[in-house]
Amino acid sequence: GAGVSQSPRYKVAKRGQDVALRCDPISGHVSLFWYQQALGQGPEFLTYFQNEAQLDKSGLPSDRFFAERPEGSVSTLKIQRTQQEDSAVYLCASSPRALGETQYFGPGTRLLVL
Amino acid sequence: EDQVTQSPEALRLQEGESSSLNCSYTVSGLRGLFWYRQDPGKGPEFLFTLYSAGEEKEKERLKATLTKKESFLHITAPKPEDSATYLCAVQPGGGATNKLIFGTGTLLAVQP
Repeated sequence: GAGVSQSPRYKVAKRGQDVALRCDPISGHVSLFWYQQALGQGPEFLTYFQNEAQLDKSGLPSDRFFAERPEGSVSTLKIQRTQQEDSAVYLCASSPRALGETQYFGPGTRLLVL
Repeated sequence: EDQVTQSPEALRLQEGESSSLNCSYTVSGLRGLFWYRQDPGKGPEFLFTLYSAGEEKEKERLKATLTKKESFLHITAPKPEDSATYLCAVQPGGGATNKLIFGTGTLLAVQP
């Protein structure tokens, strides 16, 4: 079964390092989302793509966060000059169409910034 | 401001002891309300979508209901394998985004 996959599953970074997190959505899914989940909290929205277009990036916490989906399938979330407060689980989700569809989540990437 | 509040934060049940989890929400036009289950170290797993007040959905020992201001997840005769965090999320209507706004979850522990 081809669900949403994410890599790496775990990442340890030194403060100030750049990191790149990858998401492979379910094949054919139009919409792709990134969420950030702190320990003991619910996921918080970061950004949304419809195909290759980034339609909403209102949740990105700073200009150190950048996401792309150049061919409308795989997406990368990049965090520059990581800070300790960036430590969290980063979840990717995809849904089949543009509006009102259930989002299916990947297993997440757990980022620890030392 | 769109907001989701879940209660209780944690719930401990004996196997077979039925109970309900609550999700209260304020949102500017509801496109959908979603329930997910999340096991430790894993991503949220989809359970139900509810779209309008009065709607109900069932799956095995779980039943979700929706009113204009809240949703309930009823768990009937739970088993230890039902232990997980249950997350509620709303999808606001309008605009070009389909983002979900999550509550902080209810951590359910079912003891044998």
